[in-house]
Amino acid sequence: SQQGEEDPQALSIQEGENATMNCSYKTSINNLQWYRQNSGRGLVHLILIRSNEREKHSGRLRVTLDTSKKSSSLLITASRAADTASYFCATAGANNLFFGTGTRLTVIP
Amino acid sequence: KAGVTQTPRYLIKTRGQQVTLSCSPISGHRSVSWYQQTPGQGLQFLFEYFSETQRNKGNFPGRFSGRQFSNSRSEMNVSTLELGDSALYLCASSFEGRVSYNSPLHFGNGTRLTVT
Repeated sequence: SQQGEEDPQALSIQEGENATMNCSYKTSINNLQWYRQNSGRGLVHLILIRSNEREKHSGRLRVTLDTSKKSSSLLITASRAADTASYFCATAGANNLFFGTGTRLTVIP
Repeated sequence: KAGVTQTPRYLIKTRGQQVTLSCSPISGHRSVSWYQQTPGQGLQFLFEYFSETQRNKGNFPGRFSGRQFSNSRSEMNVSTLELGDSALYLCASSFEGRVSYNSPLHFGNGTRLTVT
């Protein structure tokens, strides 16, 4: 399966700290995307990194991609209580998009 | 620009019934995808429509079906409901013009279906 797996499954940090979550996948991809989901709501797209890119930034978000290791990481710097959510990686192949199992991030004020 | 709208927000049905969920994509988006989200299985792809044609289908039984109208609005139908169909059903639209995923998906807030 191409489905990504996030690690850790759950993460609890203090406000102001950095949060890092990882995603591993099994087959070759065209791009990898990160989404955020607040409880009971839809997913919100955060960032897309293409297979020929190694790092991408968006505000307090930094995503890295290592295609040789088939892994990606999402770093959220200076976390806020509003960052509390589940974070999913999604791997895009030729004609499919598979979502991982998610990391539940809790930011304690 | 209005976001993706899903109706209804909540639905309670009994086993054996059927249900129809509706999704209105972002204006100009012609691709609509449906996902089922459960605590045990995570996000599972159901199907994707583009210009009224089903372009891709996940591994779900034939009880799950969908369609897309000329205005890009989409519906999905689940017949003969089972307890295991209880889930959050998410619709997502994309500007994507071909079968690839180089554009982000824009999700609605979902329909929470409970089967009793």
